[in-house]
Amino acid sequence: EIVLTQSPGTLSLSPGEGVTLSCRASQSVSSNYLAWYQQKPGQAPKLLIYAASSRATGIPDRFSGSGSGTDFTLTISRLEPEDFAVYYCQQYGGSSRTFGQGTKVEVK
Amino acid sequence: EVQLVESGGGLVQPGGSLSLSCAASGFTFSSYDLSWVRQAPGKGLEWVSTISGSGGSTFHADSVKGRFTVSRDNSKNTLYLRMSSLRGEDTAVYFCARKDPASNNLDSWGQGTLVTVSS
Repeated sequence: EIVLTQSPGTLSLSPGEGVTLSCRASQSVSSNYLAWYQQKPGQAPKLLIYAASSRATGIPDRFSGSGSGTDFTLTISRLEPEDFAVYYCQQYGGSSRTFGQGTKVEVK
Repeated sequence: EVQLVESGGGLVQPGGSLSLSCAASGFTFSSYDLSWVRQAPGKGLEWVSTISGSGGSTFHADSVKGRFTVSRDNSKNTLYLRMSSLRGEDTAVYFCARKDPASNNLDSWGQGTLVTVSS
């Protein structure tokens, strides 16, 4: 099973700042199968990025993804108040999928 | 509009059983693979099960294999998760989610239903 490790665990930032979240896989992941989700308290996760760098429908362009192999990143260029949430990376392995443990982006 | 609505959660004793349902609308139900994903209180996301659009293929995480069974009724646009031999570590919010066939990612989610395993 591929293990995804996200860092850091928590980031304390102010609106307007930029941020880069990291996701490292225990073995190589096809870029086609690496995604990022956003989850706010009490809500279901929401797909942000798929295929490592493609934005899902309706996702603003301040969100961008990159990476390949075992190292992937999610960048938010300028944090809006609604972006404070937990972010999960996820890899799809054909018959299963695994998630990272999440990075919480909180208001400083 | 795609809608997924889970139900059936509640309090159950260790060793007990429970069945969850997920009622779908707003899309051609039988054309999509569906999954269950759970989230223990204060914890991250864990994939549980997936079923193909026809129901002919099912997959379960090792943590639930042999105890949980995913199924679907395409005539009723409903997904199910039958859970047995429940343990404390199964306590979680259970989400149903639709898999986008183009990207293989979970593009629509329900609001979740809470399962609590406790005596």
